[in-house]
Amino acid sequence: DAKTTQPTSMDCAEGRAANLPCNHSTISGNEYVYWYRQIHSQGPQYIIHGLKNNETNEMASLIITEDRKSSTLILPHATLRDTAVYYCIVRALRDSGYALNFGKGTSLLVTP
Amino acid sequence: DAGVIQSPRHEVTEMGQEVTLRCKPISGHNSLFWYRQTMMRGLELLIYFNNNVPIDDSGMPEDRFSAKMPNASFSTLKIQPSEPRDSAVYFCASSPLGKADTQYFGPGTRLTVL
Repeated sequence: DAKTTQPTSMDCAEGRAANLPCNHSTISGNEYVYWYRQIHSQGPQYIIHGLKNNETNEMASLIITEDRKSSTLILPHATLRDTAVYYCIVRALRDSGYALNFGKGTSLLVTP
Repeated sequence: DAGVIQSPRHEVTEMGQEVTLRCKPISGHNSLFWYRQTMMRGLELLIYFNNNVPIDDSGMPEDRFSAKMPNASFSTLKIQPSEPRDSAVYFCASSPLGKADTQYFGPGTRLTVL
């Protein structure tokens, strides 16, 4: 799996967009970028994933650079409930289950 | 959908005792994972199953840990004998066939070994 680098922590004002960066300069052609988050005292929660095109769902948008060496998770209108640790994971897609290497992630604090 | 169910939610035991953690995956999911989370080491995969068969148990710390999945709807993680350093939050997750990248986590079991 390609190594990922994320900032340790970030702050965001409530109602503003939260942009969480992830560097994955050694990503391979068949590896996807996944984002999960973990709210305090809860299990991790899947957010979104993508290969090379930008992706959007009801939770967030994922922007992947053209060279695929970095990506940004965007929470368009952050709320206090979005305060969590966000994990960027790079992994090849497979049919069957496999481990996810969560790393340290970015601790996002959304402030009033 | 009830999601992944884990029991107990909290467990406090004394060193040397046997501990059994339980997990019921989401119905229809064919992969099941056991993770452990501590402040020092973060989230670590212990073992995972595909179609009830253990695939990778390289993360199991030592022989005191064992995991079983007797059927598609139930799995256990057992620690015998337990030690204080086993204190952690243990998460179970499951994923559906064909979407193995999307893992759904349970609420976790907080284990404290005194």
